[in-house]
Amino acid sequence: DQQVKQNSPSLSVQEGRISILNCDYTNSMFDYFLWYKKYPAEGPTFLISISSIKDKNEDGRFTVFLNKSAKHLSLHIVPSQPGDSAVYFCAATPIQGAQKLVFGQGTRLTINP
Amino acid sequence: NAGVTQTPKFQVLKTGQSMTLQCAQDMNHEYMSWYRQDPGMGLRLIHYSVGAGITDQGEVPNGYNVSRSTTEDFPLRLLSAAPSQTSVYFCASSYSGGVSYGYTFGSGTRLTVV
Repeated sequence: DQQVKQNSPSLSVQEGRISILNCDYTNSMFDYFLWYKKYPAEGPTFLISISSIKDKNEDGRFTVFLNKSAKHLSLHIVPSQPGDSAVYFCAATPIQGAQKLVFGQGTRLTINP
Repeated sequence: NAGVTQTPKFQVLKTGQSMTLQCAQDMNHEYMSWYRQDPGMGLRLIHYSVGAGITDQGEVPNGYNVSRSTTEDFPLRLLSAAPSQTSVYFCASSYSGGVSYGYTFGSGTRLTVV
């Protein structure tokens, strides 16, 4: 039972355009949602998070949107840069049990020059 | 500031062998976790700890043991390696109140069981 799903295994975007990565979840108990970026042969690095009491959080070129009624979140990267090419994982956790992150399968983003 | 350090980076084991994957963090984080990453499945939680002396099972704990005798160290033991344990293993740590700031991950251990 996949509680967090990233249905697009890969995404290709032209440099300078907007990248939109999507994530769906099924567990209503999730309180925090996080995005991680992973380069080959490295560990995931934290990118941005959002609490369930918000619907948007912005950090520079990265914005995360949360639609609780649809149980859907998305990560927007604008403008996309070549260094953004990586695998992106969304993750979720309840505030009680916050040590137990549940990850999606990941989306490989490729930024084309 | 080393962050989360995992050793070894690569390991090949024969079926039935045992080994310990080491994880150490120097950030005084209360929470530590072990995940495995398999193709198409994201990262799955194996075991976690909320502090020294306290551990619990995650989603896929079978075949693995952990202990947390100090705040800094959280080793993962494979009792009798099986080919199904071929994976990339990541250790992570966080402050107990820092979920919104994310977990810090190590660079991983790539394990192959033949």
